[in-house]
Amino acid sequence: DAKTTQPTSMDCAEGRAANLPCNHSTISGNEYVYWYRQIHSQGPQYIIHGLKNNETNEMASLIITEDRKSSTLILPHATLRDTAVYYCIVRVWTAGNMLTFGGGTRLMVKP
Amino acid sequence: NAGVTQTPKFQVLKTGQSMTLQCAQDMNHEYMSWYRQDPGMGLRLIHYSVGAGITDQGEVPNGYNVSRSTTEDFPLRLLSAAPSQTSVYFCASSSGQMGQETQYFGPGTRLLVL
Repeated sequence: DAKTTQPTSMDCAEGRAANLPCNHSTISGNEYVYWYRQIHSQGPQYIIHGLKNNETNEMASLIITEDRKSSTLILPHATLRDTAVYYCIVRVWTAGNMLTFGGGTRLMVKP
Repeated sequence: NAGVTQTPKFQVLKTGQSMTLQCAQDMNHEYMSWYRQDPGMGLRLIHYSVGAGITDQGEVPNGYNVSRSTTEDFPLRLLSAAPSQTSVYFCASSSGQMGQETQYFGPGTRLLVL
């Protein structure tokens, strides 16, 4: 699995967009970028994933650079409930998709 | 659907005791896995299963056993608890089908070994 680098922590004002970066400069062509989050010691929650193209769902958008060496998770209108640790994971898709979680980014959404 | 359920929510053990952490899912998922999360750290994979009767080791399997006799259940056994096994344990399941990559996690079991 490709190594990822994320900032340890970030702050965001409530109602503003939260942009969480992830560097994965050693990513290979068949590796996906996955994002999960963990809210206060709960089980991690899947957010979004992508391979090459930008992706959007009801929770977030994922922007992957053309060279695929970095990506950004965007929460368009952050709320206090989005305060969590966000994990960027890069790996080849495998059935069952057991994941390796690093330290993640602790996002604090402030009023 | 209840999703992924785990019992107990909390447990205190003495060093050397054994116990089983229960995990069940009602989504008919083939793939199940166990992770541990130490304070301030990310999750680490202990064991996983790709179907009933099939299990394999993850990153940190020592001190733990698993079995998968049914699709629904995937218990994790601590053979002889040690203080180093104090952690939060999460069970997860997924369908394993391309295009359905979501892993669903349980609420966790908090274990303290004295």
